[in-house]
Amino acid sequence: DTGVSQNPRHKITKRGQNVTFRCDPISEHNRLYWYRQTLGQGPEFLTYFQNEAQLEKSRLLSDRFSAERPKGSFSTLEIQRTEQGDSAMYLCASRRLAGAQETQYFGPGTRLLVL
Amino acid sequence: DQQVKQNSPSLSVQEGRISILNCDYTNSMFDYFLWYKKYPAEGPTFLISISSIKDKNEDGRFTVFLNKSAKHLSLHIVPSQPGDSAVYFCAASALIQGAQKLVFGQGTRLTINP
Repeated sequence: DTGVSQNPRHKITKRGQNVTFRCDPISEHNRLYWYRQTLGQGPEFLTYFQNEAQLEKSRLLSDRFSAERPKGSFSTLEIQRTEQGDSAMYLCASRRLAGAQETQYFGPGTRLLVL
Repeated sequence: DQQVKQNSPSLSVQEGRISILNCDYTNSMFDYFLWYKKYPAEGPTFLISISSIKDKNEDGRFTVFLNKSAKHLSLHIVPSQPGDSAVYFCAASALIQGAQKLVFGQGTRLTINP
């Protein structure tokens, strides 16, 4: 069990550029979640997948954001035309589907800075 | 609408003493509660959880207490160690919501003084 991994760990970009982050969940975890954390706040839910299906998206996820999990394994989160307000830590978590109440395990996050 | 609140942004405790971190919630549908610990530049690390059918769960130095009538939970760490210095988040989810997405508090920064 290697844990949840995320790449890159840090990303600096200029306003208006597109960025893409990758998350590799714990193997055999059916559910994959994306959260965003800004300074002084707890993580906020963005979206989640059950296998390859994206089942819910938060109001926080504007149309500039898109997430995929094409084969039900790794996931990507793309932000188009980045804005300074997109600067945050983007966290990925995964969990098993088996139990009614299962723990979500988080990756190290990708810290995005939009200049 | 902050459904999960941690009203103490910071807490300082002497090494060896008990640390008590508090969390309040407003949504009565929440039925699963978790505590995570977070170091700078890292993702949250799971510490301990509790289901709403219980009022206490213990794991080593960590104990979580749940008071459903007061919509309040607390994390006790005893004895506190310098390595416990971190930001602690409580989180809650509701089984009735298919996503079981976590709703987090704002976090409490715990500092253990030697």
